[in-house]
Amino acid sequence: DAGVIQSPRHEVTEMGQEVTLRCKPISGHNSLFWYRQTMMRGLELLIYFNNNVPIDDSGMPEDRFSAKMPNASFSTLKIQPSEPRDSAVYFCASRRLANEQFFGPGTRLTVL
Amino acid sequence: AQTVTQSQPEMSVQEAETVTLSCTYDTSENNYYLFWYKQPPSRQMILVIRQEAYKQQNATENRFSVNFQKAAKSFSLKISDSQLGDTAMYFCAFMNFGNEKLTFGTGTRLTIIP
Repeated sequence: DAGVIQSPRHEVTEMGQEVTLRCKPISGHNSLFWYRQTMMRGLELLIYFNNNVPIDDSGMPEDRFSAKMPNASFSTLKIQPSEPRDSAVYFCASRRLANEQFFGPGTRLTVL
Repeated sequence: AQTVTQSQPEMSVQEAETVTLSCTYDTSENNYYLFWYKQPPSRQMILVIRQEAYKQQNATENRFSVNFQKAAKSFSLKISDSQLGDTAMYFCAFMNFGNEKLTFGTGTRLTIIP
């Protein structure tokens, strides 16, 4: 199994630009999670999906953030417009039933 | 709300020695899971070990073992015969049974000294 795949691995953009992060979960996993990691706030859950349906988006910081999961093998996290304080590492993780979450390698986002 | 506390921001130990990382948590639930994740400099989050709260036996994975004290709400990680590759951030995490959300501690940065 290839594990959770995230792209891009690194993203550098300018303030105000739209950013789209992508995630492919492990095949057969029915839950998908988006996290953000910063030095100040640690690991924060932004949103998670069960069977492609968003269940809890209470961690999404603002309306500038949105996430979709159009099918079982793909999800996006979009930031529009991006701001410097959005700079962080964004992780995607997936899980099957009651098992542990498996994390992707993360996307390091830098907003200048 | 559940909270997870890791009181040791940084630790270091000589190679081949044993080290114990502390974790405490707060919950009113009875059924839950506890995890230790490792994040090396590559920043990949890697599951080290998991423990189901209903199991009295402490989980063990090769050189990694836990000391789970349910009444004390403590979940420490012991690394035996530490190796240079164990250098990483270690995160303790909690998840309620039937809930999808993981709550993470702030992490302990472990350095193994050659």
